Amino acid sequence: DTEVTQTPKHLVMGMTNKKSLKCEQHMGHRAMYWYKQKAKKPPELMFVYSYEKLSINESVPSRFSPECPNSSLLNLHLHALQPEDSALYLCASSQGIRQVTYNEQFFGPGTRLTVL
Amino acid sequence: AQSVTQPDIHITVSEGASLELRCNYSYGATPYLFWYVQSPGQGLQLLLKYFSGDTLVQGIKGFEAEFKRSQSSFNLRKPSVHWSDAAEYFCAVSGAGGFKTIFGAGTRLFVKA
Repeated sequence: DTEVTQTPKHLVMGMTNKKSLKCEQHMGHRAMYWYKQKAKKPPELMFVYSYEKLSINESVPSRFSPECPNSSLLNLHLHALQPEDSALYLCASSQGIRQVTYNEQFFGPGTRLTVL
Repeated sequence: AQSVTQPDIHITVSEGASLELRCNYSYGATPYLFWYVQSPGQGLQLLLKYFSGDTLVQGIKGFEAEFKRSQSSFNLRKPSVHWSDAAEYFCAVSGAGGFKTIFGAGTRLFVKA
């Protein structure tokens, strides 16, 4: 199984809502990533988990809260978002730097988030 | 500074014609290079990668890329483009032992009949 799955595919939420994005992989990867992608732009790294520990936080606002319950699952909890947070949110995974030196990432299909 | 430059924001090619997408990188250590493709509203799919060895690498969907260290380039090529190749293409670089991948701005490919 070389797939990264993400749910939901689409999400519309108000600025006072709380919602969560979910990502799952069964490739035995030990690094998982959240990216934000605006239209016509490359993905921007938000968070990296390595061996279920938060390794990188790219100065993301606290209204985004990541969680890695186990090595296969990655969540992104959303609260009090702003309209400018509307974007495609991509999850990715890779083997993890303890296992290999290069960083080949496998991406999920993304969640299209609209904040009203 | 570490960076990836894709000089062409968009390219239009006739179906059946050859394609070359340009990518230049600046990286202080040994680069690991990637090309990804993204269809509208979809995730990124890895086309090919270069880590070491033969500088001409073959990928999926008939794509290939050539690593030229002297020119800091990793250009993507395809001999005959199909209408289904219309998408956004991202060149990316990362290094050993790190999580961060630096993406280029992307090149949008249009295919005309």
